Amino acid sequence: SQQGEEDPQALSIQEGENATMNCSYKTSINNLQWYRQNSGRGLVHLILIRSNEREKHSGRLRVTLDTSKKSSSLLITASRAADTASYFCATPAYSGGGADGLTFGKGTHLIIQP
Amino acid sequence: DGGITQSPKYLFRKEGQNVTLSCEQNLNHDAMYWYRQDPGQGLRLIYYSQIVNDFQKGDIAEGYSVSREKKESFPLTVTSAQKNPTAFYLCASSNAGQETQYFGPGTRLLVL
Repeated sequence: SQQGEEDPQALSIQEGENATMNCSYKTSINNLQWYRQNSGRGLVHLILIRSNEREKHSGRLRVTLDTSKKSSSLLITASRAADTASYFCATPAYSGGGADGLTFGKGTHLIIQP
Repeated sequence: DGGITQSPKYLFRKEGQNVTLSCEQNLNHDAMYWYRQDPGQGLRLIYYSQIVNDFQKGDIAEGYSVSREKKESFPLTVTSAQKNPTAFYLCASSNAGQETQYFGPGTRLLVL
């Protein structure tokens, strides 16, 4: 079964706007990751946030984690056409913290309109 | 140029045939993983290996087999027992004990 579920399933915005996507998960975790996938390609790691962190930044990316609500959000600021991709949250598949594999949601498909 | 390579990019399987997908990494990572992705879906874990000559089943191992004879290689065989093999297969690797995974470009398997 899938641990994380992203919301919305699809998002279309204008270039320059901010994009926010959310992830909810079911069981306790010690970290959560976000990955990007361009169409027909492999996944690229974006950011990892640990359970004792509430917010993390990386360039134009901002990730939050609320362990009480079992949810995370990914904010992309000042979006660009190159940000068009699917975005997945990933949590450890088993209790090993992620080294035993990851569980992915179905993803949010983000389209940036020029 | 470090990274993970997967071959072939496209693979066609006839009914009743076993096919093997290649995954090679030169990142010196201990752990390697195989995932399956169906259209519009997330990735599901098939098998993983944390060390040479050892591997564990993931969530959907039935109909698949793997080997880990070398640190840099983790081939996946899709057997005839896998009744619905059409999917995009992704291989990944990570450093021992690290959560971040590095993915290959994927192999698309189609059934003739």
